[in-house]
Amino acid sequence: AQSVAQPEDQVNVAEGNPLTVKCTYSVSGNPYLFWYVQYPNRGLQFLLKYITGDNLVKGSYGFEAEFNKSQTSFHLKKPSALVSDSALYFCAVRGPSADRGSTLGRLYFGRGTQLTVWP
Amino acid sequence: EAQVTQNPRYLITVTGKKLTVTCSQNMNHEYMSWYRQDPGLGLRQIYYSMNVEVTDKGDVPEGYKVSRKEKRNFPLILESPSPNQTSLYFCASSIRGGLAADTQYFGPGTRLTVL
Repeated sequence: AQSVAQPEDQVNVAEGNPLTVKCTYSVSGNPYLFWYVQYPNRGLQFLLKYITGDNLVKGSYGFEAEFNKSQTSFHLKKPSALVSDSALYFCAVRGPSADRGSTLGRLYFGRGTQLTVWP
Repeated sequence: EAQVTQNPRYLITVTGKKLTVTCSQNMNHEYMSWYRQDPGLGLRQIYYSMNVEVTDKGDVPEGYKVSRKEKRNFPLILESPSPNQTSLYFCASSIRGGLAADTQYFGPGTRLTVL
């Protein structure tokens, strides 16, 4: 079975400080990993994805994520947080092929992490 | 502008009154999907469609119907809504569904309240 865990419901950080939003995954085979952001009253916006290759993936708005196969993690990072980064962040995973009980094309989402950046 | 649109954005209705939430994409995507978002549960897939006239159940299909008569449209139908279907609904699309690397693009969401 494929799954994603976001161990922190909330992350609070001061503006200008680095931020990390954690994600761990479980998948059969090589994972395809995604980060989405949801601003208040808006839909999910794609931030970045890991398919293969370099373990450090760069995405939109200065975000990056580090894929760590041994720790089955895909943490989202930003060197210097902005107040405007405050939002709900979702990690998601897809396996390379449909496993037993899964639905083709489905993204498995974590529960989300609320990031608050204070001035 | 490439986008996924949903209508209505907000809807309050009563138990048993049939409703349809529309979803349309202008990117010529083959794959479309409906998710519902509930606090503490993340997003769960309701139905998906690999292409025109090809639809299948997701993880939580009970109480919902879909159709895919045209490539761009993928309406979600609640024949007899119940209060447990109060949720935030998202439509998503991607170029193809079978390729895991494809990015899914989401609509703005429809907040449904069933009284």
